[in-house]
Amino acid sequence: SQTIHQWPATLVQPVGSPLSLECTVEGTSNPNLYWYRQAAGRGLQLLFYSVGIGQISSEVPQNLSASRPQDRQFILSSKKLLLSDSGFYLCAWSVPSGTYNEQFFGPGTRLTVL
Amino acid sequence: KQEVTQIPAALSVPEGENLVLNCSFTDSAIYNLQWFRQDPGKGLTSLLLIQSSQREQTSGRLNASLDKSSGRSTLYIAASQPGDSATYLCAVDKVGNAGKSTFGDGTTLTVKP
Repeated sequence: SQTIHQWPATLVQPVGSPLSLECTVEGTSNPNLYWYRQAAGRGLQLLFYSVGIGQISSEVPQNLSASRPQDRQFILSSKKLLLSDSGFYLCAWSVPSGTYNEQFFGPGTRLTVL
Repeated sequence: KQEVTQIPAALSVPEGENLVLNCSFTDSAIYNLQWFRQDPGKGLTSLLLIQSSQREQTSGRLNASLDKSSGRSTLYIAASQPGDSATYLCAVDKVGNAGKSTFGDGTTLTVKP
């Protein structure tokens, strides 16, 4: 069966510090990978998605970047965090089949920037 | 631009009641509509996915319907239980944007014992 891991679970960082969040998927090959951010009480905003190694699409201009160094590894980074980067970050995967594209989510990382 | 709305934002019902959660979307050109459950501080759990060619999907006490022409989906929960308390989100994939879903803000359900 497939599983998705995210770490760390929680993170408190000062403004201006760097960031690296990691997501790995097990039990599947060549998945689509996604990074979302969720503000308190709100739905999810798609930040980045990737259809393969080294292929990243950015959905929202921002202070963040993403990389996919391996097939099942997706990394979210920042060189200098802003207060507005605080939120709940969720990684997801899917393996599209035609137009069928069911997404599965990781446990999330709660980021607080002080 | 696709917009997804979920009303009400919060719902409280007594245990055992049947209930319906609503999801509406502005662009009917979709591939899929997916319903999720989210517990506080946790990730999303996929409940049901309806493809654009389908009208409904069922899993246990859950039934999701899709009316693409009117831009609406409903999630029906039968015989609600306190363990059903969570936030329920819907998400749609727009034609031409496969895999890039637009989410509603969710409905927070509380089932009182």
